[in-house]
Amino acid sequence: SAVISQKPSRDICQRGTSLTIQCQVDSQVTMMFWYRQQPGQSLTLIATANQGSEATYESGFVIDKFPISRPNLTFSTLTVSNMSPEDSSIYLCSVVLGPEQYFGPGTRLTVT
Amino acid sequence: GENVEQHPSTLSVQEGDSAVIKCTYSDSASNYFPWYKQELGKGPQLIIDIRSNVGEKKDQRIAVTLNKTAKHFSLHITETQPEDSAVYFCAASIEGGGADGLTFGKGTHLIIQP
Repeated sequence: SAVISQKPSRDICQRGTSLTIQCQVDSQVTMMFWYRQQPGQSLTLIATANQGSEATYESGFVIDKFPISRPNLTFSTLTVSNMSPEDSSIYLCSVVLGPEQYFGPGTRLTVT
Repeated sequence: GENVEQHPSTLSVQEGDSAVIKCTYSDSASNYFPWYKQELGKGPQLIIDIRSNVGEKKDQRIAVTLNKTAKHFSLHITETQPEDSAVYFCAASIEGGGADGLTFGKGTHLIIQP
């Protein structure tokens, strides 16, 4: 399995500001994903972030709102830009290692 | 795209009894079906998965069954214990290993009554 850490673990942010979430993996992985989990809800894929290529966004998510960087095989960042209360969610990164997909602990974001 | 339905949304069972959670999927091309357990304040933890070339897989008290024809799969937990209380998510993807990202069900809150 993979050990995945995220920073920050939680944050409270003001409307209109931006927050960058970091994801660090203890193994080199090609495929990394970012998901959003709204309060009490399931997980929704935001984008796929493969090293060496542009991130691919799912329907309803755009690069201007959720820019992603993937500078190497163990690290990625997701920025939540120009935040509104509707962005209050848990943001999770995940990686594919072997045949399986593993998740980080999540970043709990509250926008006021 | 893929759509995954999960039932029930809440399941309460007596400690020691069995629990069954069911999911259906829409895309017949899906061939990888993992189950995740999420405890409060934590990220989802992979507990078992199954690929479409097998009909059943078991790991101690946990088993998963897959019916490709009917496009449904189920999680079975036997001899439930208090630590089994959590939210369980099923998921599906087209490529093995979730290479295209996972589509999740809405989750089942499993409550184990002492």
